[in-house]
Amino acid sequence: EAGVTQSPTHLIKTRGQQATLRCSPISGHTSVYWYQQALGLGLQFLLWYDEGEERNRGNFPPRFSGRQFPNYSSELNVNALELEDSALYLCASSFRIYSSNQPQHFGDGTRLSIL
Amino acid sequence: AQSVSQHNHHVILSEAASLELGCNYSYGGTVNLFWYVQYPGQHLQLLLKYFSGDPLVKGIKGFEAEFIKSKFSFNLRKPSVQWSDTAEYFCAVNRGSKNDMRFGAGTRLTVKP
Repeated sequence: EAGVTQSPTHLIKTRGQQATLRCSPISGHTSVYWYQQALGLGLQFLLWYDEGEERNRGNFPPRFSGRQFPNYSSELNVNALELEDSALYLCASSFRIYSSNQPQHFGDGTRLSIL
Repeated sequence: AQSVSQHNHHVILSEAASLELGCNYSYGGTVNLFWYVQYPGQHLQLLLKYFSGDPLVKGIKGFEAEFIKSKFSFNLRKPSVQWSDTAEYFCAVNRGSKNDMRFGAGTRLTVKP
């Protein structure tokens, strides 16, 4: 089975710009999660989408947003980029049923570098 | 706030040594617990999970973990490590309907051949 795919692999932006990151979940998975893995901070939960709706968000400012499309793929948008947004952004997917006990399957990530 | 603590940042072992990686969490109530592994150059993969039932769970590649509710712990073990176990290991806790899974900072394991 194809895993979670993310694009692009690497994205270079400058301060103030906007970044769009994309994620395709495993076939059959309806939930998509986004995490930020910044140096020294570990994996931080960003957003959870299911059935096209945002179900929960972590402690991040509103300039981090996203959406989920009818085919369950998702994109993460980061506006007004700041230097501290430089990180690896990971997408994960899972089945929705009893989802808190569903394991999440991760993609390879998008490395966002802010110059 | 929920937190997950992994006590060891970097562990170095020789092949055939036994492994135990500590994980403690601060959530009360029912929790779902996971260990993930990230091999060099690869994405995070699920090693094992605990939802309910037998507190000793077995995962892939000979790993197991024990859930001790009274100690809020979910330690990962392997009786005899191999060079191919060199990787970073993450403990994660999920609870309730909000699905905001919290990860520990990770433990880097280096196994010397």
